[in-house]
Amino acid sequence: AQSVSQHNHHVILSEAASLELGCNYSYGGTVNLFWYVQYPGQHLQLLLKYFSGDPLVKGIKGFEAEFIKSKFSFNLRKPSVQWSDTAEYFCAVNAGTGRRALTFGSGTRLQVQP
Amino acid sequence: GAVVSQHPSRVICKSGTSVKIECRSLDFQATTMFWYRQFPKKSLMLMATSNEGSKATYEQGVEKDKFLINHASLTLSTLTVTSAHPEDSSFYICSVSDSLEAFFGQGTRLTVV
Repeated sequence: AQSVSQHNHHVILSEAASLELGCNYSYGGTVNLFWYVQYPGQHLQLLLKYFSGDPLVKGIKGFEAEFIKSKFSFNLRKPSVQWSDTAEYFCAVNAGTGRRALTFGSGTRLQVQP
Repeated sequence: GAVVSQHPSRVICKSGTSVKIECRSLDFQATTMFWYRQFPKKSLMLMATSNEGSKATYEQGVEKDKFLINHASLTLSTLTVTSAHPEDSSFYICSVSDSLEAFFGQGTRLTVV
């Protein structure tokens, strides 16, 4: 079974600071990788996803993530955060193809101070 | 992408009563829906996979008699928490997925008093 680790539980940054949130997974086979964001009071929204191809993927709102297969990592980055990025961020994986459930990391709460 | 509507968004019930949560896929025919539970400051944990027209598949440790799932149509799955206890208080989220990504309902905050 796959598992996902997010090592940063709570991150506090000032506006314009750079962001990197770590995500590591454990699974021996091919995985699909996702980052979701949950703004206060709202449902989960997809930031970006990786299935195959270029390991550097760009998502919405200036976020990007890099898949490093040798490190089993899929870290999320943003060069300059804004106050509106304050939210909970979840890394998730599923294996194989088709309509499969996701395995989530424990989430990282990002607080951006103006 | 698919639009998923979950109702109610919040519910408070007394211990021993049952609560039904609805999950509707508004623009996508979902043969499969997923139910997750989110504990405070913890991740979303898959509870069960709801299958249209057949029995749900429960994850290990999830009591199927306590968390009843019905998926009678391609657009509606329901989760009923039976004989609720305070430890069932949690945030419940449903999801549908196409072959590319998952779409989530807004979640239901259940508080059992």
